[in-house]
Amino acid sequence: AQSVSQHNHHVILSEAASLELGCNYSYGGTVNLFWYVQYPGQHLQLLLKYFSGDPLVKGIKGFEAEFIKSKFSFNLRKPSVQWSDTAEYFCAVILSGAGSYQLTFGKGTKLSVIP
Amino acid sequence: KAGVTQTPRYLIKTRGQQVTLSCSPISGHRSVSWYQQTPGQGLQFLFEYFSETQRNKGNFPGRFSGRQFSNSRSEMNVSTLELGDSALYLCASSLEPGGHYEQYFGPGTRLTVT
Repeated sequence: AQSVSQHNHHVILSEAASLELGCNYSYGGTVNLFWYVQYPGQHLQLLLKYFSGDPLVKGIKGFEAEFIKSKFSFNLRKPSVQWSDTAEYFCAVILSGAGSYQLTFGKGTKLSVIP
Repeated sequence: KAGVTQTPRYLIKTRGQQVTLSCSPISGHRSVSWYQQTPGQGLQFLFEYFSETQRNKGNFPGRFSGRQFSNSRSEMNVSTLELGDSALYLCASSLEPGGHYEQYFGPGTRLTVT
């Protein structure tokens, strides 16, 4: 079965620091990849997604992610974090071309940004 | 356009009782999925509905069930509640099923079982 691993449970950064959150998935076929964010007290919302094409995808609020197929990775990056980026971040994967739409999520990484 | 709405937002039940949660998708969305979110297990897929048919089911016991109505609204039911069912239950809707359609999540229903 497919699985998603997020290596860091809790990351603490100072404002203006650079961010990289790791995500690895286990599935040998074609996948669609997502990063979702959950701000305190808010809904899960989509940050960015990768379906095909350029492996470097840009999302909202200055986030980007790079798909490295050989490493089964989809790491999330942001050059300079802000206090407002404090949230929980979830990586998710879905099989491309499968008959149903089942997102498999990683356990999440909590990001705390210190002003 | 209104987002995904879930009712009730909070619920407290006793072990052994049953509960029904409701989800109204974004207007025009025909696919609804349900997820359970807990601190220990994270977000886990429960089931997905499209055109009133369950298309896929996650690895949950038969006490968890759901349905979808002709207007795409969906309900999930948990019978014989256990303490471990305490969780945030999230509903997500998308235009169609399939990996190329973004899922939009609702605020969730926080279920506490005592």
